[in-house]
Order: sequence, then structure tokens, then C-alpha cells
Amino acid sequence: QVQLVQSGAEVKKPGASVKVSCKASGYTLTSHGTSWVRQAPGQGLEWMGWISPYNGDTHYARDLQGRVTMTTDTSTGTAYLELRSLRSDDTAVYYCARIMQWGQEIWDYWGQGTLVTVSS
Amino acid sequence: DIVLTQSPGTLSLSPGERATLSCRASQSVSSNYLAWYQQKPGQAPRLLISGASSRATGIPDRFSGSGSGTDFILTISRLEPEDFAVYYCQQYGRSPPTFGQGTKLEIK
Repeated sequence: QVQLVQSGAEVKKPGASVKVSCKASGYTLTSHGTSWVRQAPGQGLEWMGWISPYNGDTHYARDLQGRVTMTTDTSTGTAYLELRSLRSDDTAVYYCARIMQWGQEIWDYWGQGTLVTVSS
Repeated sequence: DIVLTQSPGTLSLSPGERATLSCRASQSVSSNYLAWYQQKPGQAPRLLISGASSRATGIPDRFSGSGSGTDFILTISRLEPEDFAVYYCQQYGRSPPTFGQGTKLEIK
């Protein structure tokens, strides 16, 4: 069955970087794209970007460009999100999610979420 | 970016009642590319509806979606105890994909 298992919670200081992993099973990262979505405490959902299953192309949210990098390691079936120059308002639960059908960005399977806390 | 506005912010109903949740877009959603998700505390969102009206795999038929253009509705015909959660609409017709702010469905 399809599963996405994310790495554990992180606590970072402002200005630091964080890298969150998302291991996929039950399918391959070359068959479905991966998106990342975050949710600040008590807030709604915010799309961060996607990575293509075909060629590793990426597309990021405008507000995050320059600070975010999404990659995949197809040999291990793991997707990664790196966010740099962390600020307090980056504190959120970060989710990876499988794009159900390439070209239509809806997500049928989600990871369990990774809480990233940015605090001095 | 397309802004999605959900109403009401909170809906208080009893099990067995009918729930009607609204999602209005700031501009027409192309091809009715509108999805609905359910999120319970401490859990990831779960896809309910895509294409405005197509139920995702395993979603009970008490959930239905309708609408087109700028106005969309999620209806839960008879509320079960497990349906009390936060519901989000999301458009994927134009990049970037955007979400509504959510409707909290609570037990009355």
C-alpha cells in the first residue's frame, strides 16, 4: 500500500537550514510527482512547490524562491525539502504529498507531517 | 493568485444533520479543478473530492461536491461522528494551487 513516512521533528535557530525527508513506498517517485505543503500552528494550508517525477524539474512558491530546494533520490525512493535562512514564521508542520495525476496538482497520499520549530 | 473564501468559518451541527459548506473563488476556476480535503487534529489532510464533484477512492457517498465557475459546495448528507473536522477547498486550475482558509465543522 502507498505510504509516505517523514523524518522527525526539528528545532532550529533563526538563520539556520533544515532538511526534511519523505520516504515513499508502494509506488515510485518516477511515477508520481511530489509536492510539499506546510501549515503554521492553528493556521491553514500553504503550498510550497513540486518536483517532477520525470526529470527532477521543480516549481516553487513565489515567496519561497531562493530559500527552498526540493530534490528526490530515486534509488532510495526518498524526497527531500530543504529550507534555508529560517525565520520564526517558518515554524510549521511540513507535509510531503503525492500528486495524484501529473498536471493536476491534487494530492491523494500525504506524509504524517514534520514539525519544524524556529526559535532562538 | 486565485483567492478562495470559505463560509461559514464554523458550522455547528448534530450527528444525522445535513452540512453545506461553501467555497467561493476570486476568479473562475478553470475546468472546475476544485478539490475538497478533510483534516482532523494532528492528522494530514485527506482528499475527499476532486474535479468539483468526483469522490476520491474510499470516500463514503454521503459526501458530495457540486458547483462550477466561482461557486462550489461540499455537502455531507447525514453527519456521522467522525465527520467533525476542518474542511478545506483547493483550486488547481491555475498555478499556484491555493487553499481556502477552512471551515470547522463542530458538534452542536
